[in-house]
Parts: sequence; structure tokens; C-alpha cells
Amino acid sequence: EVRLVESGGDLVQPGGSLRLSCAGSGFIPSTYSMHWVRQAPGEGLVWVSRISGDGSETVYADSVKGRFTISRDNAKNTLYLQMNSLRVEDTAVYYCATSRYGPEYWGQGTLVTVSS
Amino acid sequence: DIQMTQSPSSLSASVGDRVTITCRASQGIRNDLVWYQQKPGKAPERLIYAASSLQSGVPSRFSGSGSGTEFTLTIGSLQPEDFAIYFCLQYNTYPWTFGQGTKVEIK
Repeated sequence: EVRLVESGGDLVQPGGSLRLSCAGSGFIPSTYSMHWVRQAPGEGLVWVSRISGDGSETVYADSVKGRFTISRDNAKNTLYLQMNSLRVEDTAVYYCATSRYGPEYWGQGTLVTVSS
Repeated sequence: DIQMTQSPSSLSASVGDRVTITCRASQGIRNDLVWYQQKPGKAPERLIYAASSLQSGVPSRFSGSGSGTEFTLTIGSLQPEDFAIYFCLQYNTYPWTFGQGTKVEIK
């Protein structure tokens, strides 16, 4: 059974940094690209970033490009999202997801609140 | 970016009704489309991938169709557990983009 568990969400001031983690189990990590998707309170879903199975290729939404960095450690089956220069509009629940024909398995999400 | 226009934004229906939700892409995306169901406080669950393939474990009352720019999710006979928000997602071109969502409520 595939399982994803996000952690690292917190309350942070504008301009601050945070690192999210997503621990996976039940699958071979190198065989799946992985994604981060976020959802602001009461809003829809927004794709944030993608990393290839071997970690060599990354893609970002324009809204986070240059501020966020996606990475993975396949030996630990863990995905990361380093978030710098956080803005109020980054406030959201952040989900990680495996991808095959689009995001398939999702974690339960971790809440990031950016506020002074 | 590819825009996904989902309609309606909400609908009221009764148990047993047939429900149809539509997503329109601003440019052709072949069949690179997924449908999700989301309940309050929960992560999305995939219902359909590749526009018409049923995700393992999803009831057969859910079906998807379409290709190119027009896509449809149909719930053949609405059940109490189907009251939720439904989203489409195109995974043809980055940035991947979601529809705005359709809230299915009890009439």
C-alpha cells in the first residue's frame, strides 16, 4: 500500500523559510516522479512543482520559481520542498503526490501559514 | 498556461440522479486529464485518469469521456457518499492546471 506523510508545516513570518518533507512507503521511489500541490483555505488546487524519479529534472510554477526548491532522497524515500522568501499568498495546505498519468496517491497535507 | 474551465461551479442533485460535470481546456491536451473527488479536510482522491480510465477501487458509476479540449465526468447514479467537490486536472503541459471545482450538494 502506497503511503505518503507530509510534515514541516508551521506558522512563519513573511520573508521566512520553511522545509516540508514527505515520507513515502509502499513503492519504489525511483519509478515515480513526485509533485507538490497546494490549496489555500477554501480555494482550489494549484500545482507547485515536480521532480523526476531520479531527481535530475525539476519544474516549478512561475509563482514559486526562484523561491522554492524541490528535491528528493530516494534512499530515504523522502521528498522535500524548501520554501524561501515566503509570502502571505503562500499560505495553504501543501500536498505531496506520486505521479503516473497525473497525481495518483496523495498525502494528507501539511498546513503552511505565512503571517506576521 | 492551459486554462481549464470547469462547469458548473456547483449543482444540487438527489440520490439516484445522473450527474455530469464538464471541463474544457483552452488548447488541446489529447487525453491527458484526471478527475478527482475531494471531501472536506481530506486530500483529493483520483477517480479517472487518461480521461476515461477508472482508477482501481473506484465504483463503476463513475465514468469519464472526452479528448482534445472537451471532457466529461459522469456519475451514473448519485450516492450519499458522492456529495463532495470534483476537480479536473490537465497533465499534458507544465504548469499542470486544475479546473476551479464543482461542488455537488444534496437537493
